Amino acid sequence: DTGVSQDPRHKITKRGQNVTFRCDPISEHNRLYWYRQTLGQGPEFLTYFQNEAQLEKSRLLSDRFSAERPKGSFSTLEIQRTEQGDSAMYLCASSARQGGTEAFFGQGTRLTVV
Amino acid sequence: AQSVTQLDSQVPVFEEAPVELRCNYSSSVSVYLFWYVQYPNQGLQLLLKYLSGSTLVKGINGFEAEFNKSQTSFHLRKPSVHISDTAEYFCAVRANQAGTALIFGKGTTLSVSS
Repeated sequence: DTGVSQDPRHKITKRGQNVTFRCDPISEHNRLYWYRQTLGQGPEFLTYFQNEAQLEKSRLLSDRFSAERPKGSFSTLEIQRTEQGDSAMYLCASSARQGGTEAFFGQGTRLTVV
Repeated sequence: AQSVTQLDSQVPVFEEAPVELRCNYSSSVSVYLFWYVQYPNQGLQLLLKYLSGSTLVKGINGFEAEFNKSQTSFHLRKPSVHISDTAEYFCAVRANQAGTALIFGKGTTLSVSS
């Protein structure tokens, strides 16, 4: 088990383009979280999946953002019509079903919108 | 809802000196408490966690934290820091219910110099 994996690590895109990030959680973990972290701030919660069901979405997740976890394994986060304010580190985390008190984080995808 | 306040945005210390990073939280329900460390351009690594029981929690890399329910605090301490401890430290809280997301503070930058 190699932990939570995120791809790509870095993404530079032009304003107005769409981007998609992928997260592969730890294999036996059924819970998956997305966070956004801007410079000098702590991670902010975006959304949460239990298996394939998206159970919670933050008000930070505007209509331009969509997340999926189609088979309860990997997840994707898509941002449409990117804006400069979307520039941030996007972090994925997963936790286990039983005794899942701890969230394990991936190394993140750093998005730069130019 | 929960919230976290990290009282110091930056803490500069000399190598081998003791350090305390302060964290206060608020919540209307029982919570779990965590400290994470983040090195530049990396994801978050768990240092330690408080779930229940003994209020003094020991973690990795010689760090420990004390849960104080009456003061709603969870301060992180290390008796002697190393240059390699230079990083961003985040205090986080979540309700002790399955699947709830972590809420993070804004972080404290620990800078250790020789």
